[in-house]
Amino acid sequence: DQQVKQNSPSLSVQEGRISILNCDYTNSMFDYFLWYKKYPAEGPTFLISISSIKDKNEDGRFTVFLNKSAKHLSLHIVPSQPGDSAVYFCAASPLSSGSARQLTFGSGTQLTVLP
Amino acid sequence: EPEVTQTPSHQVTQMGQEVILRCVPISNHLYFYWYRQILGQKVEFLVSFYNNEISEKSEIFDDQFSVERPDGSNFTLKIRSTKLEDSAMYFCASSHQAGALREQYFGPGTRLTVT
Repeated sequence: DQQVKQNSPSLSVQEGRISILNCDYTNSMFDYFLWYKKYPAEGPTFLISISSIKDKNEDGRFTVFLNKSAKHLSLHIVPSQPGDSAVYFCAASPLSSGSARQLTFGSGTQLTVLP
Repeated sequence: EPEVTQTPSHQVTQMGQEVILRCVPISNHLYFYWYRQILGQKVEFLVSFYNNEISEKSEIFDDQFSVERPDGSNFTLKIRSTKLEDSAMYFCASSHQAGALREQYFGPGTRLTVT
């Protein structure tokens, strides 16, 4: 059951360049999407999110783009810095009548920013 | 900056034993979650908790699992009789609300090793 897919297990980028991490989803009930960063031996750290009513959300060096018709979202990091090296997870949350909404995670992409 | 804390950081137990994993969510948050990540696999949702009751649970969260908020600050996950396949990182998360701001903030995790 791969409702959220990150097809690239790894990505290497030169410092100062743009990093683009991609995520696809299959469940049309997802209406809220999040990106998390994870370092080894730590929990996921929230980075940025986007609601399905938007197609772009920007926070500093991080921008998330959402293409609902393609069920695709991407995270752009520019400029990339060596400290950005981590595993990046895409996660999605469904529109639900429930009050607390579970996140469904992708498998993650290991980003390495080379100095 | 407020953060989710978890104890212990590492728990080793024998198969069949009971374990309790502890979490202190961010103080003004109302929604609480447990996730787990088996080595090499995705982060998986276990259970969500709101207003002193379970809101949602996954298929993983069977009768061997239970959650409790014994006081105003702690949120616990109990596994009654551990199995080898329960070995994983267990992450606690909390969120302020489930509507417009659905960001979940994760703790550093407890590594559970069942021998």
